[in-house]
Amino acid sequence: RKEVEQDPGPFNVPEGATVAFNCTYSNSASQSFFWYRQDCRKEPKLLMSVYSSGNEDGRFTAQLNRASQYISLLIRDSKLSDSATYLCVVNLHTGGFKTIFGAGTRLFVKA
Amino acid sequence: GAVVSQHPSRVICKSGTSVKIECRSLDFQATTMFWYRQFPKKSLMLMATSNEGSKATYEQGVEKDKFLINHASLTLSTLTVTSAHPEDSSFYICSAREELAGGPRDNEQFFGPGTRLTVL
Repeated sequence: RKEVEQDPGPFNVPEGATVAFNCTYSNSASQSFFWYRQDCRKEPKLLMSVYSSGNEDGRFTAQLNRASQYISLLIRDSKLSDSATYLCVVNLHTGGFKTIFGAGTRLFVKA
Repeated sequence: GAVVSQHPSRVICKSGTSVKIECRSLDFQATTMFWYRQFPKKSLMLMATSNEGSKATYEQGVEKDKFLINHASLTLSTLTVTSAHPEDSSFYICSAREELAGGPRDNEQFFGPGTRLTVL
């Protein structure tokens, strides 16, 4: 089983749609969680951190369920510019520090 | 946010040559930097953790003699792909965490723009 698993995608949605990405992680030592966005042939960029209380940034809402080891990202009112690959990222603190990336979910938003 | 640069951004080389990639933190000190590799349509895979002043820690399956890492200062880490072969062609990305006086800020990693290596 992969340490971080995401929806395989790709997701093809029209502008204005709401889209949800899911992610699960297997290591209970996971301490912090993030969603990154990666555009084609570019480096990943932080979209938002994910907290147990849930957090929202404009059209983006992230949720964490530690009991289920599950993370989600909701994008409302999708824009063409939201087209990218969304990476679920988990930091492990087990004697050292290690970051595990999910394989990513590709999103295509169409006019 | 903090800035990490990589050089070169793109390199094409012949099989058997060695290629050095530099990763610099421009406005902060990074005790630890990370090197990742990403094949097309695949996830980023951690290759090694670069520690300033000590040996790098390599992930399982990554040959330390092939991927030489040097972290000579708090702002510079280098990755040298020795005797590169076509299967080493990939997107190599470094990242750094800003570590403040009170301990590492467990926040985002700052990624370099990546180096696309093509070995002919």
